[in-house]
Amino acid sequence: AQKITQTQPGMFVQEKEAVTLDCTYDTSDQSYGLFWYKQPSSGEMIFLIYQGSYDEQNATEGRYSLNFQKARKSANLVISASQLGDSAMYFCAMREFFLGGNQFYFGTGTSLTVIP
Amino acid sequence: NAGVTQTPKFRILKIGQSMTLQCTQDMNHNYMYWYRQDPGMGLKLIYYSVGAGITDKGEVPNGYNVSRSTTEDFPLRLELAAPSQTSVYFCASSIGLAGASTDTQYFGPGTRLTVL
Repeated sequence: AQKITQTQPGMFVQEKEAVTLDCTYDTSDQSYGLFWYKQPSSGEMIFLIYQGSYDEQNATEGRYSLNFQKARKSANLVISASQLGDSAMYFCAMREFFLGGNQFYFGTGTSLTVIP
Repeated sequence: NAGVTQTPKFRILKIGQSMTLQCTQDMNHNYMYWYRQDPGMGLKLIYYSVGAGITDKGEVPNGYNVSRSTTEDFPLRLELAAPSQTSVYFCASSIGLAGASTDTQYFGPGTRLTVL
């Protein structure tokens, strides 16, 4: 089974509108972390936002917020007031903890295009 | 402060050749990671290290070797290159605080490797 599932290969949004990028995850651990990264066409990976499994409030970072629904195992990224510079690939990732180590898993990504 | 640096940026190998991808971080981070990103896919963890002298396998370790003799450096070795190893390779580092689930990863710019 996929650890991280992103079901939207491509998304379009009008400039200044909000957009939600979906992410579901699969883990039996109680302690884990969820991340979102942005990858522009230049290729670098840019950290956006983090949500811990024990965090009761949804994480926010500027125009980014993470809609964390633990029972549904979803961690959707919401980008408010989209800008042209938001056009990029977006990856959801999960960190699992276990005795002696940890593992990171990434989804296949969602390509976001912001339309002027 | 350079962050995470990787060399080379691009490389073409013939089947059966060997090479080492270099990764250096100057943030005094404990944890370092190697990922590969195949076209249109997310990142997959190859190996990681929680400190000098300690390495462990990730999701896709076969065909690779790593070493961590210093805090700063985490080279990735390909011994017998195969076409299936054509990919973009990212090195990352994180502080690695014990028990801290946030532990944001900072990525290098990537190495684009083609095996012909």
